[in-house]
Amino acid sequence: KAGVTQTPRYLIKTRGQQVTLSCSPISGHRSVSWYQQTPGQGLQFLFEYFSETQRNKGNFPGRFSGRQFSNSRSEMNVSTLELGDSALYLCASRGWSSTDTQYFGPGTRLTVL
Amino acid sequence: GQQLNQSPQSMFIQEGEDVSMNCTSSSIFNTWLWYKQDPGEGPVLLIALYKAGELTSNGRLTAQFGITRKDSFLNISASIPSDVGIYFCAGPPISGGYNKLIFGAGTRLAVHP
Repeated sequence: KAGVTQTPRYLIKTRGQQVTLSCSPISGHRSVSWYQQTPGQGLQFLFEYFSETQRNKGNFPGRFSGRQFSNSRSEMNVSTLELGDSALYLCASRGWSSTDTQYFGPGTRLTVL
Repeated sequence: GQQLNQSPQSMFIQEGEDVSMNCTSSSIFNTWLWYKQDPGEGPVLLIALYKAGELTSNGRLTAQFGITRKDSFLNISASIPSDVGIYFCAGPPISGGYNKLIFGAGTRLAVHP
């Protein structure tokens, strides 16, 4: 079955703009998590959605937000972009089983100029 | 919060050599995960460990869940050029939230043919 897909793969924005990233989980997966990856901070958890509800949130400012739709697809939004928001944004989905693990998408590379 | 300390930061080895890397924490984890990330891609799960003392293999890869639940190691035997990449250990926080993984900083592996 198809893996996690993310669009777009690459994005260039300028400071002050806002951006929306999209994630389609593996079919049947209802949990979607977002992570930010930077050279300085590594992989950091942003938030998790399950059945259209935010279940967990990482330590990021309110400029970072997300949502999940009834078909489990998820979007994350970053408003008022800063240079430090340049990163690889990764989406991961997980299935039902207690021993199931997170499967990651290829990520969206965001560059803020 | 919980942190994972991964070592070494980088390794440069000859093809055919065995590789060992480890991950430690000052607090316990109930699950240890090992991921590999290739350039421009998301992390791919290599091995998942769920029980203290567990030793699990996946081809040339072997990983162990430390008895104290505060460490784990990953071994790669007879390395080949396609082993190049960044290896991450990860685990869900003890406070709960399986879908908000904590990641180590990664071990960057280079293999010289």
